[in-house]
Amino acid sequence: DIQMTQSPSAMSASVGDRVTITCRASQGISNYLAWFQQKPGKVPKRLIYAASSLQSGVPSRFSGSGSGTEFTLTISSLQPEDFATYYCLQHNSYPHTFGQGTKVEIK
Amino acid sequence: QVTLRESGPALVKPTQTLTLTCTFSGFSLSTSGMCVSWIRQPPGKALEWLARIDWDDDKYYSTSLKTRLTISKDTSKNQVVLTMTNMDPVDTATYYCARTSVGTTVVTPLDYWGQGTLVTVSS
Repeated sequence: DIQMTQSPSAMSASVGDRVTITCRASQGISNYLAWFQQKPGKVPKRLIYAASSLQSGVPSRFSGSGSGTEFTLTISSLQPEDFATYYCLQHNSYPHTFGQGTKVEIK
Repeated sequence: QVTLRESGPALVKPTQTLTLTCTFSGFSLSTSGMCVSWIRQPPGKALEWLARIDWDDDKYYSTSLKTRLTISKDTSKNQVVLTMTNMDPVDTATYYCARTSVGTTVVTPLDYWGQGTLVTVSS
């Protein structure tokens, strides 16, 4: 199975900060990577697919990059509604696998 | 619009078999490129991908759970069923179904999700 490792596991940030979350795959996955946001008690919401394609309706402060084994999710200017847990998902091969999550908390 | 809804028992006993149904609308699993996956999330923990069934009846499973899982579809009813045998308290989780669309040039995974159903395993 492909292991997805996110870093950091948790972080504190302030409104307006630039935030970067990294996801590393244990083997190459091309660009078959998606990012999800989950708020407490809510359903995960897809933000990014194909590593860098922004889901329709998602604010442009979210962006994704990377290919192969290293990927990043960047929030250019953190907003109050962005405090949540973020997950990456690889769907290059079966079984698909999620990262362990990155919790973004208010500093 | 696309909607998915999970249904099944809220409580199962250890060793029992869990049967969950995902009822969806707004797309058809007889349409090329359509797929439905199951994902779970234990309380306070990360998401875990479980299984997927495709429009052509291809099926894929989690490596660690594949001996316990079966996924099937009823295209006429717009339903996907997941069964998990030999349930254990560690299987307590919210179980979600979600759609994936496989296009000719891009795959858009898990674009629509159900609300999830909490399954508790306890005697």
